[in-house]
Amino acid sequence: ETGVTQTPRHLVMGMTNKKSLKCEQHLGHNAMYWYKQSAKKPLELMFVYNFKEQTENNSVPSRFSPECPNSSHLFLHLHTLQPEDSALYLCASSQVGQGAETQYFGPGTRLLVL
Amino acid sequence: KQEVTQIPAALSVPEGENLVLNCSFTDSAIYNLQWFRQDPGKGLTSLLLIQSSQREQTSGRLNASLDKSSGRSTLYIAASQPGDSATYLCAVLYNFNKFYFGSGTKLNVKP
Repeated sequence: ETGVTQTPRHLVMGMTNKKSLKCEQHLGHNAMYWYKQSAKKPLELMFVYNFKEQTENNSVPSRFSPECPNSSHLFLHLHTLQPEDSALYLCASSQVGQGAETQYFGPGTRLLVL
Repeated sequence: KQEVTQIPAALSVPEGENLVLNCSFTDSAIYNLQWFRQDPGKGLTSLLLIQSSQREQTSGRLNASLDKSSGRSTLYIAASQPGDSATYLCAVLYNFNKFYFGSGTKLNVKP
């Protein structure tokens, strides 16, 4: 499945580092999403972008900063993270407004904060 | 607040068994409901999508049902195979594009 790609696949960072996660969708969709998946917890929606505009920020701490320069690319900028931010970060895309709406997920970035 | 619950959290069955995974949701005003599969360390793959006006969907050995009034959905897997081993996630879509996920059922099918 190469419709939604994410880089890097694995990332280890210290609490004082700054890093960015990248997501790219090749499906021509108009909406993109960031999710956080922690062990034994439901997938948590973090941010939603529709037509490059952020329409949802699900009470995410400011140390996570999203950026959507166009409808195909989505970034998640990370700075001064905490160990509890270690998780699998998943990107998804969908075509909003077509009725049978489904989301297509990337493989995720496994983040470890030391 | 919308909540999605999945039971059981884990399930181990011998190959060939038919099995049922359960999903319940607190708010019945859903747009659609989806079942996803997630392999370890990987992203999610959509298996079946049921619109709010539908009662069930089938794909191969998989059948998903939806009962909006009771806030329940089931995923039926017939003649399970070791390759079916994965975590199965239920997701409910409410107004526009907000998805709520359950915690998943981790399935292990033993050869």
